Amino acid sequence: GAGVSQSPRYKVAKRGQDVALRCDPISGHVSLFWYQQALGQGPEFLTYFQNEAQLDKSGLPSDRFFAERPEGSVSTLKIQRTQQEDSAVYLCASSRASGPAYEQYFGPGTRLTVT
Amino acid sequence: QKEVEQNSGPLSVPEGAIASLNCTYSDRGSQSFFWYRQYSGKSPELIMSIYSNGDKEDGRFTAQLNKASQYVSLLIRDSQPSDSATYLCAAEGSGTYKYIFGTGTRLKVLA
Repeated sequence: GAGVSQSPRYKVAKRGQDVALRCDPISGHVSLFWYQQALGQGPEFLTYFQNEAQLDKSGLPSDRFFAERPEGSVSTLKIQRTQQEDSAVYLCASSRASGPAYEQYFGPGTRLTVT
Repeated sequence: QKEVEQNSGPLSVPEGAIASLNCTYSDRGSQSFFWYRQYSGKSPELIMSIYSNGDKEDGRFTAQLNKASQYVSLLIRDSQPSDSATYLCAAEGSGTYKYIFGTGTRLKVLA
């Protein structure tokens, strides 16, 4: 079946602009995660949803970052007033449920470049 | 800060050899561990998951877990040039569902 999809795949933003990144999880997957991956690093956790509830947002780096999943399916990660340090690949992952033994599957990512 | 540590490499092995990738983790409460493969410019792709001490085999891949030593490894038998990639080790944080990733080990399989 279809995997996790993300759009746009590439985004260039001028410093100070707002951006919105979209994630479509695997159909029926309850849990959705956002990660940020800097060049040469492993993904770092940003936030987690179970259905429409945002259960953990401890990884969001500042209050400029906001995520939502209003209907428990598609999710949007919004970054306000982008800064150069926000340049990274933003990865979305979904899993069938929450808990041990439920594996996370990643989308292709959105590469954000802030100029 | 809970951490997962990997040697960044590169680890170079000849084609047909066994590649051995290692990972240590600091959170003793972690119960679930994962290996992902990431080709340059692509997203992580799940290879193996392991939850119990011992070995788990899937084709050419074997994952090994030793919770007492807080050590996870991945063996790739009969390595192929197409296995050349960065291999990410991840641990599920105890009491959370988020994955904590290492920085990855770059593997180069030489033809």
